[in-house]
Amino acid sequence: GQNIDQPTEMTATEGAIVQINCTYQTSGFNGLFWYQQHAGEAPTFLSYNVLDGLEEKGRFSSFLSRSKGYSYLLLKELQMKDSASYLCAVRDKSNYQLIWGAGTKLIIKP
Amino acid sequence: KAGVTQTPRYLIKTRGQQVTLSCSPISGHRSVSWYQQTPGQGLQFLFEYFSETQRNKGNFPGRFSGRQFSNSRSEMNVSTLELGDSALYLCASSFEGTSGGSTQYFGPGTRLTVL
Repeated sequence: GQNIDQPTEMTATEGAIVQINCTYQTSGFNGLFWYQQHAGEAPTFLSYNVLDGLEEKGRFSSFLSRSKGYSYLLLKELQMKDSASYLCAVRDKSNYQLIWGAGTKLIIKP
Repeated sequence: KAGVTQTPRYLIKTRGQQVTLSCSPISGHRSVSWYQQTPGQGLQFLFEYFSETQRNKGNFPGRFSGRQFSNSRSEMNVSTLELGDSALYLCASSFEGTSGGSTQYFGPGTRLTVL
């Protein structure tokens, strides 16, 4: 079956580093996306991984291991504005649909 | 370049009524996907349209339907509304659509409340 798992909620301190994990099971894999969604707003694109390894983009990095069905989003030098939900989505190769996790709510404390 | 726009932003309806939501994609994008988002649940895929044709459909009842016009604007219709249809409905546009590997860009959503 198809399944995406992420922690429901995480708390971190301003200035620190946090890692948000995502594990997935799909019938066929064709890429993994991370989106950020602030409360009451639309999701915004953060990163895309299709090959194993780390993709770095400023304070945000995303890692993928296809053999383990695992990805993480790493946020460095946390700022209060990073308080949001982070959504992991996997593209299923069989029908190219995006399968979405329920999202991880990240709370940043001063 | 203007982003994805959705109208209306908020809507209150009663059970049994029907509703039509509208989405205008980013200029040049030919694919529009619709999602339902409820608290505690991931985005649930409704359908994808590409060049006026429905290319993919999620596991929603036939009460949920959509269409796309020649200018790529899309509408979603829900008939015989139920309380469980209360949700945030998000539209996302992309250049080639999910099968083409394009990134999806989301609109602000329409918050539907069914009383």
